[in-house]
Amino acid sequence: DIQMTQSPSTLSASVGDRVTITCRASQSVSSWLAWYQQKSGKAPKLLIYKASSLESGVPSRFSGSGSGTEFTLTISSLQPDDFATYYCQQYNTYWTFGQGTKVEIK
Amino acid sequence: QVQLVESGGGVVQPGRSLRLSCAASGFTFSSYALHWVRQAPGKGLEWLAVISYDGSNKYYADSVKGRFTISRDNSKNTLYLQMNSLRAEDTAVYYCARDLARCTSPACPFDHWGQGTLVTVSS
Repeated sequence: DIQMTQSPSTLSASVGDRVTITCRASQSVSSWLAWYQQKSGKAPKLLIYKASSLESGVPSRFSGSGSGTEFTLTISSLQPDDFATYYCQQYNTYWTFGQGTKVEIK
Repeated sequence: QVQLVESGGGVVQPGRSLRLSCAASGFTFSSYALHWVRQAPGKGLEWLAVISYDGSNKYYADSVKGRFTISRDNSKNTLYLQMNSLRAEDTAVYYCARDLARCTSPACPFDHWGQGTLVTVSS
């Protein structure tokens, strides 16, 4: 099974900050990597797929990069609506999620 | 617009069964693979099962293989999850989710999710 590990688990940041979340796979997943945002009590929302492709309707301040085993999600300028938990997901071999990164207000 | 609405959750005793449903609308149901994903209270997301667009292929996570069965009725635009031999650790919010539209990769991420239905396994 492919394991996905995110870091950090929690991130404290301020509005306007540049934020980067890392996701590492236990083996190569090529570019088959997605990022989701989840707010409390709500379903996850797809942000990025194929490592760097922005889903329709998602603000351009979100970007993704990486391939193989190491990936990053970057929020260029954190907005109040961005405080949430973020998950990576590999879909190279079945589907596996990372444990999540909570972005909280500093 | 695309809608996925789960139902069937509730409180059930350990060892008993429950069937979840996911009613879909706003898209051509029979053209998409569909998934079940769960989230235990305060925990992360766990993929459980997938069914192909026509129901001919099904795959499961090891944690539910042999206990849970995914199925679909394309005439009713409805996805199901039959859960047997339930355990306390199956307590979670259960989501149905759809494959990303226009996805051309062998497997796909999920572009639409339901609101979730809570299953509590407790005596």
